[in-house]
Amino acid sequence: EPEVTQTPSHQVTQMGQEVILRCVPISNHLYFYWYRQILGQKVEFLVSFYNNEISEKSEIFDDQFSVERPDGSNFTLKIRSTKLEDSAMYFCASTVGAREQYFGPGTRLTVT
Amino acid sequence: AQSVTQLGSHVSVSEGALVLLRCNYSSSVPPYLFWYVQYPNQGLQLLLKYTSAATLVKGINGFEAEFKKSETSFHLTKPSAHMSDAAEYFCAVSGRGYNQGGKLIFGQGTELSVKP
Repeated sequence: EPEVTQTPSHQVTQMGQEVILRCVPISNHLYFYWYRQILGQKVEFLVSFYNNEISEKSEIFDDQFSVERPDGSNFTLKIRSTKLEDSAMYFCASTVGAREQYFGPGTRLTVT
Repeated sequence: AQSVTQLGSHVSVSEGALVLLRCNYSSSVPPYLFWYVQYPNQGLQLLLKYTSAATLVKGINGFEAEFKKSETSFHLTKPSAHMSDAAEYFCAVSGRGYNQGGKLIFGQGTELSVKP
């Protein structure tokens, strides 16, 4: 069964450094998402991406964040200058559009 | 605006007992509602979804949920808990735009423990 994959599973970085989280959505899906979950809190929407552009973003998704689909298979989330409060589990998801979203296993980001 | 409230961050049941996980939603448009399950070190897996068809929705692993508009609820139930049901459960809502890839808004999650 096709699945969403994410790399790395765990990323440790120092405050102020740039990180790129990678996702490979399911191949025939059209909509792509990033969500995050700070430890002990709810899963929060960050951004959705369709037709090579952002379709919706949350207040969390400020200028420090960017997304890209560089090669038609990968979907990346970049954080330019990480802060301590960016420490969280980041989930990628994808969907055909009229069905449920399929989630990846997540990347745990730890900012020290 | 939409929101989801899950009552009880932790629920503990005995194996074989009824599982009831509560979810209430707020939505200004007809909602689509979902329950996801997260096992340790894994991603979110869809258990079931309500998309304006039947109000009683059956999902995987023997779970079901009933949409009650008058109560703005979408509680998740399973008649008999199994040890393998121990996990974190998330209720989520998506409004108009789901068929066009609308975002999901999640509740806080409920951790289900199952005692032997």
